Amino acid sequence: EVRLLESGGGLVQPGGSLRLSCEASGFTFINYAMTWVRQAPGKGLEWLCLIRGSNFKAYYADSVKGRFTISRDNSKNTLYLQMNSLRVEDTALYFCAKKRLDAGSFDDWGQGTQVTVSS
Amino acid sequence: DTQMTQSPFSLSASVGDRVTITCQASQDIRSYLNWYQHKAGKAPRLLIYDASSLETGVPSKFSGSGSGTHFTLTISSLQPEDTATYYCQQYENMPLTFGQGTRLEIK
Repeated sequence: EVRLLESGGGLVQPGGSLRLSCEASGFTFINYAMTWVRQAPGKGLEWLCLIRGSNFKAYYADSVKGRFTISRDNSKNTLYLQMNSLRVEDTALYFCAKKRLDAGSFDDWGQGTQVTVSS
Repeated sequence: DTQMTQSPFSLSASVGDRVTITCQASQDIRSYLNWYQHKAGKAPRLLIYDASSLETGVPSKFSGSGSGTHFTLTISSLQPEDTATYYCQQYENMPLTFGQGTRLEIK
């Protein structure tokens, strides 16, 4: 059974930093690209970034490019999201998800971790 | 960026009804379109990938169609548990983008 467990969320002041983690189990982590998606209060899903499995090539949405960094440790089956220069509008529930091997869809998701940016 | 526009924004239907949600892409995305169901407080769930392929374990009451710029998600035999927000998502181009969502309420 695939399991994705996010952690690391919390309350942080504007301009601060936070690192989210996503521990994966139940599949061969290195084989799969992984992604972060968020949902701000009252808003829809927003794709943030994606990292490929073995070559670590990463892609970002314009809204987080230069502030957020996606990374992974394949030896620990863990995905990360380093978030710097946080803004109030980054307040959201952050999900990690696994990409299908054969399509650009996300077939397994975690339950999310809440990030609140407020002074 | 490829903009994804869903309609309607929200809809209300009765048990047993069939509904269709539309997703329009701002440019040709071939068949690189997914549909997700998202219930409040839960993880999103993949329903349809590649525009019309049913994800494993998803009931056949969900179906998708379309290609190019126009896509639809149809849900038949509505039940109270279908209450959720439904999103389309394209993966032809980076950045990946979601539609704004369609909120479905079952009366």
